[in-house]
Amino acid sequence: DVKVTQSSRYLVKRTGEKVFLECVQDMDHENMFWYRQDPGLGLRLIYFSYDVKMKEKGDIPEGYSVSREKKERFSLILESASTNQTSMYLCASKKAGLQFYGYTFGSGTRLTVV
Amino acid sequence: GENVEQHPSTLSVQEGDSAVIKCTYSDSASNYFPWYKQELGKRPQLIIDIRSNVGEKKDQRIAVTLNKTAKHFSLHITETQPEDSAVYFCAAARGGNKLTFGTGTQLKVEL
Repeated sequence: DVKVTQSSRYLVKRTGEKVFLECVQDMDHENMFWYRQDPGLGLRLIYFSYDVKMKEKGDIPEGYSVSREKKERFSLILESASTNQTSMYLCASKKAGLQFYGYTFGSGTRLTVV
Repeated sequence: GENVEQHPSTLSVQEGDSAVIKCTYSDSASNYFPWYKQELGKRPQLIIDIRSNVGEKKDQRIAVTLNKTAKHFSLHITETQPEDSAVYFCAAARGGNKLTFGTGTQLKVEL
């Protein structure tokens, strides 16, 4: 069973702090994704990575960056947290080369910026 | 890029009734359409998907239909049960690319 683990279930951070959200998958998946989930807005893609050291901007990358130094780990970084980044953050992964295959999601990190 | 619209945003049905959630997409090259169910406090989980070369797919009480010409696809749940209560998301992708999700439908099955 594919496991995608997000290091924190809940986080509370102060405005201006640098925040790291960690995601680890254990099934050798090449593709990894970060989404944020907000009521009424669904899941919006922040950044994704097709393989180690690779990263691409999604639909809402402003205020975020990512790091993919190892295949199993994909980190989302909030350079200077702001209150409008209060949200649920979901990490997902997928095996590369499989066109018709859905993602496996982590359990999410609910981030509150005060 | 791809844009996916999903309706309705909330849906309330009586236990045993059917529920239908509809999505439209904009990119005619999209060829993969999964549906995810997210129970309260849990991760989204894939429940069914369909490829563009198929018009309909069924799995027990759930089915998905796809109309490529009109660029819309729908989720059908028959004989709804309380455990079907959740948020449902549709999504679309071209090839093995990233998924674009709809805004979600909160389904409530009332006893």
